[in-house]
Amino acid sequence: GPKVLQIPSHQIIDMGQMVTLNCDPVSNHLYFYWYKQILGQQMEFLVNFYNGKVMEKSKLFKDQFSVERPDGSYFTLKIQPTALEDSAVYFCASSPDWGAYSQNTLYFGAGTRLSVL
Amino acid sequence: QQKVQQSPESLSVPEGGMASLNCTSSDRNFQYFWWYRQHSGEGPKALMSIFSDGDKKEGRFTAHLNKASLHVSLHIRDSQPSDSALYFCAVSEPNYNQGKLIFGQGTKLSIKP
Repeated sequence: GPKVLQIPSHQIIDMGQMVTLNCDPVSNHLYFYWYKQILGQQMEFLVNFYNGKVMEKSKLFKDQFSVERPDGSYFTLKIQPTALEDSAVYFCASSPDWGAYSQNTLYFGAGTRLSVL
Repeated sequence: QQKVQQSPESLSVPEGGMASLNCTSSDRNFQYFWWYRQHSGEGPKALMSIFSDGDKKEGRFTAHLNKASLHVSLHIRDSQPSDSALYFCAVSEPNYNQGKLIFGQGTKLSIKP
């Protein structure tokens, strides 16, 4: 089936540094998402992105976070500067053009485990 | 308060048995339900969706939705060891076209050979 690739699978970084998480979404998908999952808790929506713009972001999407997808390349999540509470698994997802009744499925990558020391 | 509650937290079922998972939304804005399955080290993968009252069957998996109570269940018959995984219920708002899903905390299913 369709694959979403996330690079790297694990990133260790010192607090205060910048980190960029990369996502290669399914090729014909138009909507892109980041979700955050702290160990033992449910996945929480961070942000969605369409046509070069952030459509909606949650309160977890702090000012230190930014997303972009320049020229159809990787869809990236950048955190600058990082904080200890940013340690989590970050999942990227994509979906095809969204239907009128919200019935499309999200396809998730395997996640990037971010460890902030 | 969590908008999506799943039960039980964990479940152990013998191989060949029936596994039943539950999910309830506490917000009437969220009426579209999905079930996702996540194997260890992988991302969640959609199993099935259900938007109308009643049953929806796909192979060994059957989902049942009661919109009045905002409750959905997932039943897995003839459970296989490969069904051992974390199962998430997710919801979204009807007519919401941005694709945001709200996830429950998951049910860990173990199938014993």
